[in-house]
Amino acid sequence: DGGITQSPKYLFRKEGQNVTLSCEQNLNHDAMYWYRQDPGQGLRLIYYSQIVNDFQKGDIAEGYSVSREKKESFPLTVTSAQKNPTAFYLCASRDRSQPQHFGDGTRLSIL
Amino acid sequence: QKEVEQNSGPLSVPEGAIASLNCTYSDRGSQSFFWYRQYSGKSPELIMFIYSNGDKEDGRFTAQLNKASQYVSLLIRDSQPSDSATYLCAVSSPLTGTASKLTFGTGTRLQVTL
Repeated sequence: DGGITQSPKYLFRKEGQNVTLSCEQNLNHDAMYWYRQDPGQGLRLIYYSQIVNDFQKGDIAEGYSVSREKKESFPLTVTSAQKNPTAFYLCASRDRSQPQHFGDGTRLSIL
Repeated sequence: QKEVEQNSGPLSVPEGAIASLNCTYSDRGSQSFFWYRQYSGKSPELIMFIYSNGDKEDGRFTAQLNKASQYVSLLIRDSQPSDSATYLCAVSSPLTGTASKLTFGTGTRLQVTL
């Protein structure tokens, strides 16, 4: 089945630790996105990528990093510099001129 | 000023009634408008999108767009308990190259009562 796979579903981060969230898609989409959702708030854009080896900061990129070494993969690293990482993280992708579709999300909490 | 505004609700409607969800946006240059449904603890699911002024119907769902008033709405006819969810309005604006960014409202929680 074609789709967007995020892993893990749940992730716990210790103080000072970097953690990486996985996002893989087999839809052959060029553009991929990372959003963060906090309770009672809308989704906010962290990073996006239009093509392999290229990515751009979104509205809240501080404390996060990404890579796009393969078309199908867009991992997000939450670094120790992100002081409030607890949130629901959503990866999305889209084909040209088509709406964005989301993966199932990763819920990150602090230990 | 919020870029995309929605009433947080909850909006409570009886089963079989029409649910009307509203959204206003601030960027007059916005071209594309989306409605996503999000069940508690789940990721958003696209249910409607609209690009042109007027109405767009898909089954029990109708999206309405009025660019002059910067207003987009979603009507759900014959509401069912399974429609109970949070509905997110999203507005698209261009980024660099061919990429676009979605700006989301905070969502309206819909409760369909028996």
